Amino acid sequence: AQTVTQSQPEMSVQEAETVTLSCTYDTSENNYYLFWYKQPPSRQMILVIRQEAYKQQNATENRFSVNFQKAAKSFSLKISDSQLGDTAMYFCAFMKHENYGGATNKLIFGTGTLLAVQP
Amino acid sequence: KAGVTQTPRYLIKTRGQQVTLSCSPISGHRSVSWYQQTPGQGLQFLFEYFSETQRNKGNFPGRFSGRQFSNSRSEMNVSTLELGDSALYLCASSLGLGVRSEQFFGPGTRLTVL
Repeated sequence: AQTVTQSQPEMSVQEAETVTLSCTYDTSENNYYLFWYKQPPSRQMILVIRQEAYKQQNATENRFSVNFQKAAKSFSLKISDSQLGDTAMYFCAFMKHENYGGATNKLIFGTGTLLAVQP
Repeated sequence: KAGVTQTPRYLIKTRGQQVTLSCSPISGHRSVSWYQQTPGQGLQFLFEYFSETQRNKGNFPGRFSGRQFSNSRSEMNVSTLELGDSALYLCASSLGLGVRSEQFFGPGTRLTVL
């Protein structure tokens, strides 16, 4: 079974600063995907960034980037130039890669990190 | 394009009752997944549907069931409600299955069981 661990329940960062959210996972799978989702207060969960395990290059999306360490099973999210709108709960998630008839959308989530961006 | 919609948004029930929650996916999406979100257990996978077939089920008791209709709309049902079923129920829709189909989440249905 796969597990995802986020050890930082809450974090705070000043506007325009950089913050890193941690995530570790455990799996015996070799092919999988990792995601960071953002859930703003009273708003819908949205995808921030995703990483394919077979790709060594770390994914980036504008101010968001990841540090993917496959051997260490670590997947941290770095937010640069933090903005007030980044205030949200951030979830790290794991998805197995299955081909053809076994494909699934099942996500295994961590417990989340509540990020507060201070003005 | 309209996003994922869930109805009702809020619901209050009493123990022993049953409840049906509805999820309308984005137009053209054929897959719907359901999650339960609670402060204690976090986000847990309930089930997923693709083209009216349940493809995967999480570790929940048989009181939790679901279905998907030919128009891809999905419903989940919880019978004999317990206090612990109080949660935010999220659904997510995608074009298909697998990582190449990004999942889009709805706003959720907040269920309170008294």
